[in-house]
Amino acid sequence: ELKVEQNPLFLSMQEGKNYTIYCNYSTTSDRLYWYRQDPGKSLESLFVLLSNGAVKQEGRLMASLDTKARLSTLHITAAVHDLSATYFCAVVIQFYFGTGTSLTVIP
Amino acid sequence: NAGVTQTPKFQVLKTGQSMTLQCAQDMNHNSMYWYRQDPGMGLRLIYYSASEGTTDKGEVPNGYNVSRLNKREFSLRLESAAPSQTSVYFCASSEFGFTDTQYFGPGTRLTVL
Repeated sequence: ELKVEQNPLFLSMQEGKNYTIYCNYSTTSDRLYWYRQDPGKSLESLFVLLSNGAVKQEGRLMASLDTKARLSTLHITAAVHDLSATYFCAVVIQFYFGTGTSLTVIP
Repeated sequence: NAGVTQTPKFQVLKTGQSMTLQCAQDMNHNSMYWYRQDPGMGLRLIYYSASEGTTDKGEVPNGYNVSRLNKREFSLRLESAAPSQTSVYFCASSEFGFTDTQYFGPGTRLTVL
């Protein structure tokens, strides 16, 4: 059974500090997506990671992929309130989503 | 450019009632998808259509049927709704299959009493 697990499931971040969200998956995949979902809203694509060692950065978010370890990380640098949302990773076999990480930035 | 649109936005059904969720995309994408989102479970794929004229089961297809009406439209039907189908339903599309980025509609919040 394919599993896509994220941790932590909930994260309260202090403004200005750095944090990392982890996404582990249980089967071989060379493509991984990160999505953001604001409360009551739809999903917005953030990154697609296409190969082992891939790193993508936009603003305060940086995502990386280690296909050998079956692990992707989403690193948040100097958290700000605008980053409060739920973040999902998704692995392409069909398309299996992680459980999501609900992220809240507190002043 | 509307992207992916879904109707209705909200719906309340009684157990045993039927309904169809509508989805349309204007991006000329070949592939379309239906997901359900439940608390603590991420999104789960119900059905997908890799291209016009084809549909396939996803992870949780039981209790649902789909129709790829044309390249733009992909509907999801609940023939006899059950409380376990209370969820938020998202439609998505991508240019060619799962390896392309998926674009999501705004979602339909369905409650089955």
